[in-house]
Amino acid sequence: SQTIHQWPATLVQPVGSPLSLECTVEGTSNPNLYWYRQAAGRGLQLLFYSVGIGQISSEVPQNLSASRPQDRQFILSSKKLLLSDSGFYLCAWFSLGGWTEAFFGQGTRLTVV
Amino acid sequence: ILNVEQSPQSLHVQEGDSTNFTCSFPSSNFYALHWYRWETAKSPEALFVMTLNGDEKKKGRISATLNTKEGYSYLYIKGSQPEDSATYLCASWALETGNQFYFGTGTSLTVIP
Repeated sequence: SQTIHQWPATLVQPVGSPLSLECTVEGTSNPNLYWYRQAAGRGLQLLFYSVGIGQISSEVPQNLSASRPQDRQFILSSKKLLLSDSGFYLCAWFSLGGWTEAFFGQGTRLTVV
Repeated sequence: ILNVEQSPQSLHVQEGDSTNFTCSFPSSNFYALHWYRWETAKSPEALFVMTLNGDEKKKGRISATLNTKEGYSYLYIKGSQPEDSATYLCASWALETGNQFYFGTGTSLTVIP
C-alpha cells in the first residue's frame, strides 16, 4: 500500500530564512503529488501539484516554489520566508481522476517568527 | 480553480444528536467527490469516495449522499459522540481542472458530552 513520508513535523523559522520541506512516496510509481497549506482558520489551499519528474504546476502566486527531482520525491521550498507563510503544510497523493482515496503525509507545522 | 463550498463552517451539537452538513461543488464535468475527517495537525482520514449520481455510502454511524446533477453532497452523523469532534472536509475533482483536486473550507464539528 501507498505510504507518504513528510518531514519535518514541526519547524520554527525566522522571517527571511529559507525553507525546505520534503515528501517521499512508497508503494507506487509515477504518483500525482500535491502540496496543500492550511493557514489559520482556513481550509486546505492547493499550492502545487506534479504529475512527473520536473513537472510542476503552481496554483497561486506566492513566496514558495516546488520541485520534483525524483519520481517519488516532492519538495516545497522558499528562499525567504514571510510571516504569512506560517501554517500547516500537507503533502498528498491522489490517483488520476480521484477515483480512490488520497494518501497524506503527517504534515508540517511551520511557524515563521 | 474549482469552487468547493461547505456549510456550516462550524457546528456544536450535544452527544447523541444527529447532524448533517453540506458540500457544494460545480456539477459540470464532475469526476469524484471525497469526504475526509481531519483532526488538527494530523493527516486527513478518508471517509468516502463517491463518483456516481445518487451514490449513498455508509461507514458505521456516518453516511453520505451525492447529487452530481445539482452539485451537492450531504454528510450525516447519527447519534454524535465526542470522538466525532473534528473538521470534516470534502474535495472535488472535475475534468476541466485537469489534475487539480480542490478541498472545501471544512465544517468544524464539536460534540458536547
